[in-house]
Amino acid sequence: GAGVSQSPSNKVTEKGKDVELRCDPISGHTALYWYRQRLGQGLEFLIYFQGNSAPDKSGLPSDRFSAERTGESVSTLTIQRTQQEDSAVYLCASSLTTYTQYFGPGTRLTVL
Amino acid sequence: GNSVTQMEGPVTLSEEAFLTINCTYTATGYPSLFWYVQYPGEGLQLLLKATKADDKGSNKGFEATYRKETTSFHLEKGSVQVSDSAVYFCALSDQGNTGNQFYFGTGTSLTVIP
Repeated sequence: GAGVSQSPSNKVTEKGKDVELRCDPISGHTALYWYRQRLGQGLEFLIYFQGNSAPDKSGLPSDRFSAERTGESVSTLTIQRTQQEDSAVYLCASSLTTYTQYFGPGTRLTVL
Repeated sequence: GNSVTQMEGPVTLSEEAFLTINCTYTATGYPSLFWYVQYPGEGLQLLLKATKADDKGSNKGFEATYRKETTSFHLEKGSVQVSDSAVYFCALSDQGNTGNQFYFGTGTSLTVIP
């Protein structure tokens, strides 16, 4: 399909392990965003990529979180040494520069 | 800076009742405004948008008007249905120094009972 895809859809991990979450944006979308949504809460901005510009990392909650994007394609969000408070749904969205965001289905991360 | 404040929930209404979910914003530029909806077990999807003052976004019977004078974008529907039960997020996008940034409200949960 032509939408934003994310993998895995669900991830269960043990405290202290590293995880990688993947996002495939819509082809041609220059902007890519990562958000975190804890149970029953709103969206928490994590990081934003715009073309080849330096990413806006202002939302990353700690240095355990990092993200990369290859050009205007796939992005990977990495969480090192996971903690139980990292349990959440991680959402990826893409957009053209001035238009609407399109969200992926999310990755539900559970840290035991 | 930019921010969005929306009515806290949860909101419970009977079917066919009138719905208003308030949203106000603070922005340094000329933002576009959005309502997103998240149905149970699903991802966020765009409900409607407005890109300039006095524009009205509409979709599926929902409406919201971009009011610059009151910095508001309240969501309304004249007659809600059980299938409208979801979480609704107000959002704005503004052209920042590094591109288009989005700001979301905390979400308002709506439950419609038959």
